[in-house]
This record gives sequence, C-alpha cells and structure tokens, in this order.
Amino acid sequence: GAVVSQHPSRVICKSGTSVKIECRSLDFQATTMFWYRQFPKQSLMLMATSNEGSKATYEQGVEKDKFLINHASLTLSTLTVTSAHPEDSSFYICSANPGGETQYFGPGTRLLVL
Amino acid sequence: KQEVTQIPAALSVPEGENLVLNCSFTDSAIYNLQWFRQDPGKGLTSLLLIQSSQREQTSGRLNASLDKSSGRSTLYIAASQPGDSATYLCAVSRAGKSTFGDGTTLTVKP
Repeated sequence: GAVVSQHPSRVICKSGTSVKIECRSLDFQATTMFWYRQFPKQSLMLMATSNEGSKATYEQGVEKDKFLINHASLTLSTLTVTSAHPEDSSFYICSANPGGETQYFGPGTRLLVL
Repeated sequence: KQEVTQIPAALSVPEGENLVLNCSFTDSAIYNLQWFRQDPGKGLTSLLLIQSSQREQTSGRLNASLDKSSGRSTLYIAASQPGDSATYLCAVSRAGKSTFGDGTTLTVKP
C-alpha cells in the first residue's frame, strides 16, 4: 500500500525559533498534499492544501506567513512553523493524494514549543 | 460547510460487549468515509474505508456502514477487548480533503 512518511516524528523547540516538518510520499507521486493540525483533546482540522509547483491554499484563520508551505517536488511537501510560540504546540499530520480522491495519511509530527 | 458529528463523545464498556459508534455528516456529497483509530499521543490508524457507492465494509471484528443519503455511518465493534481502548475518528472526504469528527473515546474495561 501507499506510504507517507513525516520527519521529524517529534520536535521540541524554544519559543521564537522556526521548525520545518517534512511530508514525503514514498512510493507514489502526489500533486496535492494536505496539512492538518490537532490540538490536545480536539479533532484534526485542515490547515492548508499544498500544490506541487504552485502556492498553497490556506483555510480560513490559518496565517500563511506563519505556516510556510513548500511543495517543491511530487514527493515532498514541507511545513515551516515560523517564530513558533507555545500556542503552536500541536500534532501536525499530512496526507498525500496520488490522484483521484484517495488520500494517505502520514504518522504525524508532535511539536512542543517551550 | 461540511460538519461531522460523532456520538457518543465517550463510551465505557465491559470487555466482551458489542458496541456501536455513530458518525453523522451534513453534506452528503462525499467521495468516501473513513474510520480511524488514534491511541493517546499517536497518529492515525486507518480501520475501514467506505467508498460513497458502498454500503458497508468489514474487517475482523469491525463493521462499518454508510448511509450517504441520510448522512450517517456506524462503526460496529464485536466482542470488545481492552486493546480496543482508543479514540475513534470518523472522516468524510471530498476533493481530496477530509473533514473529521471530534471522535469517540472508547474504554473497554477488563
């Protein structure tokens, strides 16, 4: 089956630093990837749609200058949390779409900002 | 805007019981519906995926049904075990995007 990986799986950083999270489709090409965020004891919320070769589309309320998304190749999308603050601490999950409607989810990255 | 609701929010049952988790969605124009399991501090484990043209899917002790016209899905767990304790998430997908419910936290007591 299709596999999506994320790196790192867990990261702890100091407030004010930037953190990059990678999402890779290992055995398929994905023109579209999605980034979700899950706060403690809440469900997953879509943050943005990452499109290969073009700008990402952000959901309402998500700051595009804070959450930088780059989809430089058909197998890699990156999410950079710029100037991270404690309120950005969350579980970030990506999904990748190989075509059609099916999407595959990554294992997630847990970010803790001190 | 699609909204997904899961009832109950939490459920505690003794080991061996059969149980049903419910999921409802407001927009029936979906491509598929998926049930996930999430253990504390962990990622998502896909349990069952039902395409919009399907009525149900089964895997082992799990059976998921879909009634797209009424916007409902159920996840049936037979002969529950303590290892089934987790949060179960329902998600509907359209245009590649998924909308998740808040989940049902299940506790199966030995």
